[in-house]
Amino acid sequence: KNEVEQSPQNLTAQEGEFITINCSYSVGISALHWLQQHPGGGIVSLFMLSSGKKKHGRLIATINIQEKHSSLHITASHPRDSAVYICAVNFGNEKLTFGTGTRLTIIP
Amino acid sequence: DTGVSQDPRHKITKRGQNVTFRCDPISEHNRLYWYRQTLGQGPEFLTYFQNEAQLEKSRLLSDRFSAERPKGSFSTLEIQRTEQGDSAMYLCAITATGLGGNTIYFGEGSWLTVV
Repeated sequence: KNEVEQSPQNLTAQEGEFITINCSYSVGISALHWLQQHPGGGIVSLFMLSSGKKKHGRLIATINIQEKHSSLHITASHPRDSAVYICAVNFGNEKLTFGTGTRLTIIP
Repeated sequence: DTGVSQDPRHKITKRGQNVTFRCDPISEHNRLYWYRQTLGQGPEFLTYFQNEAQLEKSRLLSDRFSAERPKGSFSTLEIQRTEQGDSAMYLCAITATGLGGNTIYFGEGSWLTVV
């Protein structure tokens, strides 16, 4: 069965802390996406990965294909980073299968 | 600007009524997708189009649901005889090919409440 699991479900941290959100999937994939969803619904694509590591500003995404695992890191976290972060994968087809998301709250 | 416009943003309807959501891609794209998201859950795939062809439908898309994409431009998602379980956010998304591969762009979503 094609499944995506994220951890933790909820994460609260102090401003400035280093944040890690994890994503595991069940079978081989063609691509993995990290998405950010703010209250009100809008979803923004942060990264698309098929291997290795990508960095954009304070955000870093890594993927280990052999271990079927990806991580999203946020350095020097800020209250504006508070959102739901969602991992989604293409299991070798066109549609995305989503994790349930990680609700991140950064306290000033 | 997400590259995808959805209308209406919010809809409250009585059980048994029909509703229609519209998705207008603003930017160039490869494929158009519909997803459904309930509170506290990740989105779930409903269907997708390449041009006007509907290439895949989820089993979540019961016979009360129909999606169309005339002329390969905007798309509509209609729900007939709405039920309370249809209450959710309906998301439209497009993929566009760039240097890094296919990037996905989501609309702001259409919230449906069935009372």
